[in-house]
Amino acid sequence: GENVEQHPSTLSVQEGDSAVIKCTYSDSASNYFPWYKQELGKRPQLIIDIRSNVGEKKDQRIAVTLNKTAKHFSLHITETQPEDSAVYFCAAFQNGANNLFFGTGTRLTVIP
Amino acid sequence: EAGVVQSPRYKIIEKKQPVAFWCNPISGHNTLYWYLQNLGQGPELLIRYENEEAVDDSQLPKDRFSAERLKGVDSTLKIQPAELGDSAVYLCASSHRGDTQYFGPGTRLTVL
Repeated sequence: GENVEQHPSTLSVQEGDSAVIKCTYSDSASNYFPWYKQELGKRPQLIIDIRSNVGEKKDQRIAVTLNKTAKHFSLHITETQPEDSAVYFCAAFQNGANNLFFGTGTRLTVIP
Repeated sequence: EAGVVQSPRYKIIEKKQPVAFWCNPISGHNTLYWYLQNLGQGPELLIRYENEEAVDDSQLPKDRFSAERLKGVDSTLKIQPAELGDSAVYLCASSHRGDTQYFGPGTRLTVL
């Protein structure tokens, strides 16, 4: 199956700074890469996604980049705010298995 | 549009007791997933349904876990008998396209 690795496991930034979370995947057949934000005790919430035919996608302060050759994708959050504090999960949709495989999560803390 | 609904939100049981979780997906979503999420980790797929058919149950521990989606809408996941190691959050998700998945709030199970 697909293997998704995510780094770092924890990240602390000052309010207003940028945060970057990186993921790698193993199966070149994976073609869809969503990012989820999960606050304590709440559901994983889809915040942005990217498909393999696109290299970059942006939505306000959030952007995702994809490098298919290197099989890695990253989440970029600019002008971070305390409400961005949460655990972020990347995932890769493996076309053959038709399933999502998740990374191990990054706990982001934005310090006011 | 209502999101994925799960109940109960919390369940505390003694080991060896049975337990059941219920999920109602987003209206019109034919794909339904059950995931297991251990503390500090990403969701792990237990079973995927396409309408009423379980198309991937390879990760479901079938000696004690069972699931059904009789009419292709809502679904029930059961554990009998529960073990201490089953304590986790059980997440349900649904999808229309098969890749973009939306999660329910989860059921937090504690086995004593």
